[in-house]
Amino acid sequence: ETGVTQSPTHLIKTRGQQVTLRCSSQSGHNTVSWYQQALGQGPQFIFQYYREEENGRGNFPPRFSGLQFPNYSSELNVNALELDDSALYLCASSLLGPPDGELFFGEGSRLTVL
Amino acid sequence: AQRVTQPEKLLSVFKGAPVELKCNYSYSGSPELFWYVQYSRQRLQLLLRHISRESIKGFTADLNKGETSFHLKKPFAQEEDSAMYYCALCPISNFGNEKLTFGTGTRLTIIP
Repeated sequence: ETGVTQSPTHLIKTRGQQVTLRCSSQSGHNTVSWYQQALGQGPQFIFQYYREEENGRGNFPPRFSGLQFPNYSSELNVNALELDDSALYLCASSLLGPPDGELFFGEGSRLTVL
Repeated sequence: AQRVTQPEKLLSVFKGAPVELKCNYSYSGSPELFWYVQYSRQRLQLLLRHISRESIKGFTADLNKGETSFHLKKPFAQEEDSAMYYCALCPISNFGNEKLTFGTGTRLTIIP
């Protein structure tokens, strides 16, 4: 059974650029959620997808967007990058949405915005 | 709105001593509470959740609705317990697919 994988593991961008982060869910999981973890903070919910539809969003501006594909892999896109977007971005998949399903996390993509 | 507070950023405990990691929450509805753990160079993983009432790796946590707390406890600390611990809350609803709200975490160090 393959766990949650994320790519890239590290990347550096400059202000104003756009970034796409990718996530491959654990086999059989149809729910994926994305979290932002700033340095010294806990993960903060960005949004969640269930069967290709967004079904929950945290307090993030519209320049944070996502997609979930038929194979349940997912993308997080961030436009017009700001310095404060520097963080670890975590993807988590689950068989059922929280709180019923256990979240399985990837190792994260660390984004640095200069 | 929901909020999770972990008052201790750092906690050091001697091996064999009891451990208690504090977690307080704020939520007006019915919550499900979790503890997640991140060991060195590993990914974030579920340690335990209130509803299962299990003891995992010797850890237990009791939900105290009166004090709105969900403290994590272990009677005798082991060196392998050194890790980052996050408390998290998720609303219980009829719809499911709710979001988790995490605390800022407590780094636990077990002193040999």
